[in-house]
Parts: sequence; structure tokens; C-alpha cells
Amino acid sequence: RKEVEQDPGPFNVPEGATVAFNCTYSNSASQSFFWYRQDCRKEPKLLMSVYSSGNEDGRFTAQLNRASQYISLLIRDSKLSDSATYLCVDTTSGTYKYIFGTGTRLKVLA
Amino acid sequence: NAGVTQTPKFRILKIGQSMTLQCTQDMNHNYMYWYRQDPGMGLKLIYYSVGAGITDKGEVPNGYNVSRSTTEDFPLRLELAAPSQTSVYFCASRNGLAGGVADTQYFGPGTRLTVL
Repeated sequence: RKEVEQDPGPFNVPEGATVAFNCTYSNSASQSFFWYRQDCRKEPKLLMSVYSSGNEDGRFTAQLNRASQYISLLIRDSKLSDSATYLCVDTTSGTYKYIFGTGTRLKVLA
Repeated sequence: NAGVTQTPKFRILKIGQSMTLQCTQDMNHNYMYWYRQDPGMGLKLIYYSVGAGITDKGEVPNGYNVSRSTTEDFPLRLELAAPSQTSVYFCASRNGLAGGVADTQYFGPGTRLTVL
């Protein structure tokens, strides 16, 4: 089993829709995660942190479910500019290395 | 404050040629990383460093070498380029000293390498 797994998508949603995707992780001791966003042909950039208590930043909400070992990202009122690949990152499984998922691609359609 | 910078942005190599990809960060970060990303795929860790003079292999180190003589610079050397090394190469850095709290990993803009 991969350390971090994501559905590659693409998730095609209309503007204004709410979309959510999950990321499963294999290390039961992991406690800290990030969501990164990567635009086409660009470098990944931090979107938000994911803590046990959850995290909300505007239209974006991240949750951690430790019992089922997954994290989620919810995007409300999707914008065309949200179209990107979203990478899940486990920050505690590796000693010095963050473990990146392969990403979920989101396309927001006009 | 430029963050993580990489040069060159693009490069085309012939099979068997060698080159060095440059990476510099101005945030005084301890940890630095090199990844490759093939089209439509995830990031694969090539090498990483936890401080000047200390480097270690990632999951795909074959065909590459690194050095870390200063905190700021972490060049990646490709010897005897092969078509399989055609990829986008990202350098990244983070502080790594945040009292146990995960800190942001910053990426450079990438180098697009084609080997023909």
C-alpha cells in the first residue's frame, strides 16, 4: 500500500459547486498534513495545513479523520481559478522527508 | 527575498552529455530537496540534504549526484544524460527546526529538461 494515496481524477465540476476529495495515508502515527496546490507546469505551493481539529480558510476546509486514516479537502463555491492539481502531504511519516501524494486534478467548468 | 531559485529554466541535452542544475535558497533553510516530476505523474525524491556537508539518497538517485557545500546552494549533477531523465526538476527547501511543528516546504519554479 502506498504511504499516501489520492484519486487522480479529474473531478469536473461547474462553477459554484462544492467539491471534496480525500487522501488516505498508511502510517497510523501520522498527525500532521498539508494540502498543496500545483498549477499546470508550475511548482507546488502550500494551500493549507491540516490539524486534528480541522482547518478552514475562506472557501476551503480541511479535515483529518484519524480513525479511518484519511484527510479531506472541501472547496465551496468553486471558481474557475481553483482548477489545479491538489497534492496531499504527510509531514510526519518520514524522518526528514515529506511524503507527497500524486495529486487529484480538479477542473472547474464555466 | 527571492525564496528558492533554479537555473536554467529550460535545457535540451543530447544523450551522453552532462550538466548541473543550480538551486539556491535565501531563507537560511537547513533542509533542501531535489524532485523530478514526469508528465502527469507525482513528485519523486532524488536526493535531499539536512545541512551543509550532509546529503542522502531519495527514491530515484541513479544517474544523479549532489553536493551541499553551503547552506544556500544545492546543485544537482546529471552525468551521461539519458532520455529517461527527461522531466521537470524541482528544488525545494524548508527550515526543519520548528519545535516539532511541520513547516512549509517551498519549491523553486523548476527546470524543464529534455534529453534527445
